[in-house]
Amino acid sequence: GEQVEQRPPHLSVREGDSAVITCTYTDPNSYYFFWYKQEPGASLQLLMKVFSSTEINEGQGFTVLLNKKDKRLSLNLTAAHPGDSAAYFCAASDSNYQLIWGSGTKLIIKP
Amino acid sequence: EAAVTQSPRNKVTVTGGNVTLSCRQTNSHNYMYWYRQDTGHGLRLIHYSYGAGNLQIGDVPDGYKATRTTQEDFFLLLELASPSQTSLYFCASSDQSNSDYTFGSGTRLLVI
Repeated sequence: GEQVEQRPPHLSVREGDSAVITCTYTDPNSYYFFWYKQEPGASLQLLMKVFSSTEINEGQGFTVLLNKKDKRLSLNLTAAHPGDSAAYFCAASDSNYQLIWGSGTKLIIKP
Repeated sequence: EAAVTQSPRNKVTVTGGNVTLSCRQTNSHNYMYWYRQDTGHGLRLIHYSYGAGNLQIGDVPDGYKATRTTQEDFFLLLELASPSQTSLYFCASSDQSNSDYTFGSGTRLLVI
C-alpha cells in the first residue's frame, strides 16, 4: 500500500527566509495530494489540495509542487513570517481515497 | 455551517476507567475517522467508518472500540483506559469521492 515519507521532522528558519518541506510517496496511482497546517494547540486546517501532475499551485505566501514522475510533493514557504510557525502534514490518497499521512514537520520561524 | 464537533475538549480519567469520546459531523460525509496524535508519531488511524453501523479497523486499534450510530455520529470507546492512551484525539470526516478531510478541534485525554 501507499507509504508517505516526510522530511525534515523539524525545521527552523529566520523570518523572511524560505522553508521547504518535502514528501515522497510510493504508489504511482495516488491521485489526490494534500498539505495541512496545524497551529499550536489547534486542529488541522487544509492548506492546499493538488491532483495534476507536475503542478505548481500558489497560495498566500507558499507554493506547492507535485512531481508525479519522481513521486514527490513539496511545500515551499516564501518569505516566512511568525504566523507560519506550525506543524505541517502532507497526505496522499490511496486507491480507496483514504489519506495516508506523512509524519509531520514542526516549523519554527525565528525573528 | 458544515463542521466536525468533538466532545469533550479535555478529559482526565484514571487507569482502568471508561471513556467515551464523541464526534458529530454536519458535512453529509459518508466517511468518519478517529486518529490519535502523539509527538514523534504524527497522525495514527484508530478506527474509521463508511456509514452508519459500519466499522473498519485502522492501524492502531488495540484498546479502542468505536461505534457509528448514525451518519452524523461516531464514538470512540476506551473501556479500560491505560496511561499509554494519553493523547490528543482527532475526529475527521470525508467524502469518498474527493478525499477532502474536515477535522474536529480535538480531545485531549489524560489517563493517570
